[in-house]
Amino acid sequence: DTGVSQDPRHKITKRGQNVTFRCDPISEHNRLYWYRQTLGQGPEFLTYFQNEAQLEKSRLLSDRFSAERPKGSFSTLEIQRTEQGDSAMYLCASSQRAGVWDEQFFGPGTRLTVL
Amino acid sequence: RKEVEQDPGPFNVPEGATVAFNCTYSNSASQSFFWYRQDCRKEPKLLMSVYSSGNEDGRFTAQLNRASQYISLLIRDSKLSDSATYLCAVYNTNAGKSTFGDGTTLTVKP
Repeated sequence: DTGVSQDPRHKITKRGQNVTFRCDPISEHNRLYWYRQTLGQGPEFLTYFQNEAQLEKSRLLSDRFSAERPKGSFSTLEIQRTEQGDSAMYLCASSQRAGVWDEQFFGPGTRLTVL
Repeated sequence: RKEVEQDPGPFNVPEGATVAFNCTYSNSASQSFFWYRQDCRKEPKLLMSVYSSGNEDGRFTAQLNRASQYISLLIRDSKLSDSATYLCAVYNTNAGKSTFGDGTTLTVKP
């Protein structure tokens, strides 16, 4: 399978714990995005990378969230001191931007439940 | 007001019907536009990009109206398998990101 993969698919944690998610993009894609989605809402942008550089981070993202993309390949998203409000689906997408066209392909997501 | 707005529906239509969804966006600097399909508890999947001249892919037609700042998706001859949530996405090169609407839910009934 050459699509975007994410691990784990589900994560249940207790409030205050740290969690880390991994995303492996489509191999030739240079852009990688992280989104958060809750029920009834569209994906909400968190951050994105162009190769290994993190170029944009949502103002909605608190300091408890951090993302990395070492060597411009896979990416990790870490949430420290999780809160119940962090419960959501965390989606990763990748793209090979061509001009103004940025067709993004999503992974299956990591569903986080904070108890 | 949200940057990208969609009628949440739900749209309940019989098989074979034609249904249209609109999506309005507020940032006039938006440069490219997309429709995604999302099945329940699954990830969004790219349905089609929306070109300035409009474009068609089988039963699906997408159009862009820059003057009024909206995009549309028309589905002809609806199938049961078209039941899903349809998300529009608006990409802004300056911001370097896409903004998604909250989706329109379609249910096609026999």
